[in-house]
Amino acid sequence: ETGVTQTPRHLVMGMTNKKSLKCEQHLGHNAMYWYKQSAKKPLELMFVYNFKEQTENNSVPSRFSPECPNSSHLFLHLHTLQPEDSALYLCASSQGGQLGNIQYFGAGTRLSVL
Amino acid sequence: RKEVEQDPGPFNVPEGATVAFNCTYSNSASQSFFWYRQDCRKEPKLLMSVYSSGNEDGRFTAQLNRASQYISLLIRDSKLSDSATYLCVVMEYGGSQGNLIFGKGTKLSVKP
Repeated sequence: ETGVTQTPRHLVMGMTNKKSLKCEQHLGHNAMYWYKQSAKKPLELMFVYNFKEQTENNSVPSRFSPECPNSSHLFLHLHTLQPEDSALYLCASSQGGQLGNIQYFGAGTRLSVL
Repeated sequence: RKEVEQDPGPFNVPEGATVAFNCTYSNSASQSFFWYRQDCRKEPKLLMSVYSSGNEDGRFTAQLNRASQYISLLIRDSKLSDSATYLCVVMEYGGSQGNLIFGKGTKLSVKP
């Protein structure tokens, strides 16, 4: 266990559905991240939160909406997704700052959009 | 454009073999470097950090060449359990924290 828990582990949704992915870290870290991993592509950084403030939005479409209520929890709200959004969504956390920025990943949510 | 390039493989090697992976990065201002390991359908896990002087952890040796913007990972005496995808990762600093740039990974398959 890495101390980063993601739920659900698997999700199938239609293009008109609204769903949310949840991430919780028990490591006392200050920074949390959402990544997308598609087949044959490198991990793509989506969002970064540092001390609950969003510090990076990597040109992600608005159908993905992050929420970080505190340093331990991170959500990714999904609505009107497209089939090409099917991927593994990984959450990670780190101490934050320029030092000690080793990131620890959750097991991911495997999303299929029909 | 920020890029980390790796040979995708797959590398198919017998148990006990020595195998080396290479990685190049495009941003000369990159400060920190890592190798992560990702098993099939699992999350990436840190294998080792890469230091300028090179570092070793058991059967694993990582090297960094800043002048050539090149990182390597050497695995000696390969085990079946080493089969995984190895991700070359570069940290770039901007604002209040560093962000990781991942390569696509190199797949290793160790056979009996």
